[in-house]
Amino acid sequence: NAGVTQTPKFRVLKTGQSMTLLCAQDMNHEYMYWYRQDPGMGLRLIHYSVGEGTTAKGEVPDGYNVSRLKKQNFLLGLESAAPSQTSVYFCASSPWGGARETQYFGPGTRLLVL
Amino acid sequence: GESVGLHLPTLSVQEGDNSIINCAYSNSASDYFIWYKQESGKGPQFIIDIRSNMDKRQGQRVTVLLNKTVKHLSLQIAATQPGDSAVYFCAEAGGKAGNQFYFGTGTSLTVIP
Repeated sequence: NAGVTQTPKFRVLKTGQSMTLLCAQDMNHEYMYWYRQDPGMGLRLIHYSVGEGTTAKGEVPDGYNVSRLKKQNFLLGLESAAPSQTSVYFCASSPWGGARETQYFGPGTRLLVL
Repeated sequence: GESVGLHLPTLSVQEGDNSIINCAYSNSASDYFIWYKQESGKGPQFIIDIRSNMDKRQGQRVTVLLNKTVKHLSLQIAATQPGDSAVYFCAEAGGKAGNQFYFGTGTSLTVIP
C-alpha cells in the first residue's frame, strides 16, 4: 500500500493563479482531511470529507474549495491564490472518523505564492 | 476556544538518554490524544495514542502519560537514538462531532551523538 500520496510535492504560483492539489489514499478510508502547516502554528484543518460526495468546512476554509468525487481522492482547490496561502499542505485520512481514531498523513505539498 | 500547547519549543538530549516532551491542553472535554513525529520534509507519523479513561500507555520505547487533573500530556522516549530527532506534536480530539483534532505547535527534539 502506498498509503496517502499527494501531488504535486512543490509548486510556485503567482498571485491570482489557480491550482488543484490532489490527495489519494489506497486504504479504503472513509474520512479525508486537508490541513495547512505554517511556522510557529499547529496544523489547521481547512476542509474535510466524511465520505464520497461529501465535504465540510474546517477551521480555516476561506479561499479554498474541495471535492470528493471518488472515495480514494480528495482535491483541494485554490481559485485565486494569495501570498497568505503560502504554506505546506497536508492531506490525511482515517478509516471511519466518527470515533476517535488515528489520522494517516501524506508527505505534504509545499506551495509558494508570489 | 480549544488550544494545545507545548511547554518547550526545542529539546536536546544525548544519545542513549531518555527524552520527555510535554504538552498542555485546555479542553477538559477532550477524550483522545495522539503524539505524532514529523521528520524534516515529511508528513506527521503516528507514534502513540491514549484515551481519557487511561493515564498511561506504553509502546515500543515510548510511553505517554495523561494527567487529566492538570490537563497535561507527556511523551517519554527511552534510550533516545539519532533517528528520533524530529518535531513532535501532540493532538487532541476536542469534544466536537466528527474526528476533528487540534494540534500543538511542536517540540523540536535533537539527539546529540
